[in-house]
Amino acid sequence: NAGVTQTPKFQVLKTGQSMTLQCAQDMNHNSMYWYRQDPGMGLRLIYYSASEGTTDKGEVPNGYNVSRLNKREFSLRLESAAPSQTSVYFCASSGSYNEQFFGPGTRLTVL
Amino acid sequence: RKEVEQDPGPFNVPEGATVAFNCTYSNSASQSFFWYRQDCRKEPKLLMSVYSSGNEDGRFTAQLNRASQYISLLIRDSKLSDSATYLCVVNGAGGSYIPTFGRGTSLIVHP
Repeated sequence: NAGVTQTPKFQVLKTGQSMTLQCAQDMNHNSMYWYRQDPGMGLRLIYYSASEGTTDKGEVPNGYNVSRLNKREFSLRLESAAPSQTSVYFCASSGSYNEQFFGPGTRLTVL
Repeated sequence: RKEVEQDPGPFNVPEGATVAFNCTYSNSASQSFFWYRQDCRKEPKLLMSVYSSGNEDGRFTAQLNRASQYISLLIRDSKLSDSATYLCVVNGAGGSYIPTFGRGTSLIVHP
């Protein structure tokens, strides 16, 4: 039982490059989330998916797209990376009681 | 007013001390409440759910005060290993079910 897994763990991009962050959970949770965490800013919600087939914007969605591929997987895509997107990205999932479980994070640097 | 507010600290306490953190929330209709612990450069991990009747887990006690719209976390007999950032999470703080994180309170326990 791996919980929530994320790939990659680290990534360096040049401005304008694209990439997809992958997230998967094996807890049969309906809801999944993508956050970014910057120093002094706390965790900010980018997108979330309340159930398979639905996605909604969070607090800071600009510059990102998501796909809820199936119940297990929720990916985050940066189409044209910008230095402002340098951050730590966390994926999370939650079940019936709204308790969230997080993946280990992806540390992204955009040069 | 921010939806979920925490004193960022740091709270600097000696081993064995008792320390308490509060977290205030703005939406009186908020429905579920949690405390998470985050170690440096790691993902947040669920510490405790906060129930209306309060709950205790070993040295940790969480309480909810709906009238004054805050939750609290009490740590007794602090250990060096308790040093971390403590995040409060409120579901429904922004008027929807999605979770809102406070920015965290830093705790440093010294010998």
